[in-house]
Amino acid sequence: GAGVSQSPRYKVAKRGQDVALRCDPISGHVSLFWYQQALGQGPEFLTYFQNEAQLDKSGLPSDRFFAERPEGSVSTLKIQRTQQEDSAVYLCASSLFASGGGFYNEQFFGPGTRLTVL
Amino acid sequence: AQSVTQLDSHVSVSEGTPVLLRCNYSSSYSPSLFWYVQHPNKGLQLLLKYTSAATLVKGINGFEAEFKKSETSFHLTKPSAHMSDAAEYFCVGGGADGLTFGKGTHLIIQP
Repeated sequence: GAGVSQSPRYKVAKRGQDVALRCDPISGHVSLFWYQQALGQGPEFLTYFQNEAQLDKSGLPSDRFFAERPEGSVSTLKIQRTQQEDSAVYLCASSLFASGGGFYNEQFFGPGTRLTVL
Repeated sequence: AQSVTQLDSHVSVSEGTPVLLRCNYSSSYSPSLFWYVQHPNKGLQLLLKYTSAATLVKGINGFEAEFKKSETSFHLTKPSAHMSDAAEYFCVGGGADGLTFGKGTHLIIQP
């Protein structure tokens, strides 16, 4: 299908290991979002891209988290020196609209990557 | 800033009976409001959205929600529950400062 895809679907990392999570948004979608969903909780915003520009990274929990979208399509969320508290499902979403419109309009979500840090 | 509160963490209904999932919002301005559903191991799917065009919003799979400004509520309803409705439901507020998710309501359908 033409939905948002994420890989890997599951990732197990040893504490201290670096991980990279990939998101392929819907083709042509301007906005791309990353969310973190802890067990039993709703997703929480991490960061937002409009094309290749990272316009908001206020939700990134620490400087160990880094996201990029160099060509304005595929995005990678990287977590350095993983900690147990990083264990969560990481969701990617895309929206056709730019800037504030991305927050007022529908976002299409991928299935998520479940990260477990041992 | 805005916040979204889902009043029930779990709701259990019998198949064929009505569903009511409650959501209250707090916002200093007229928000966009959404309901998303999350089935196990699947991505979040939009059920419906409110963007001020109409207070009663109809969504997919027979769901609808009514925006009541006086009560700051946006409750989700369905006249008759189906087994396939069992899932996690999120009320979401959208604004200039991003999407704010409620903590979710787990809907259980009893046969």
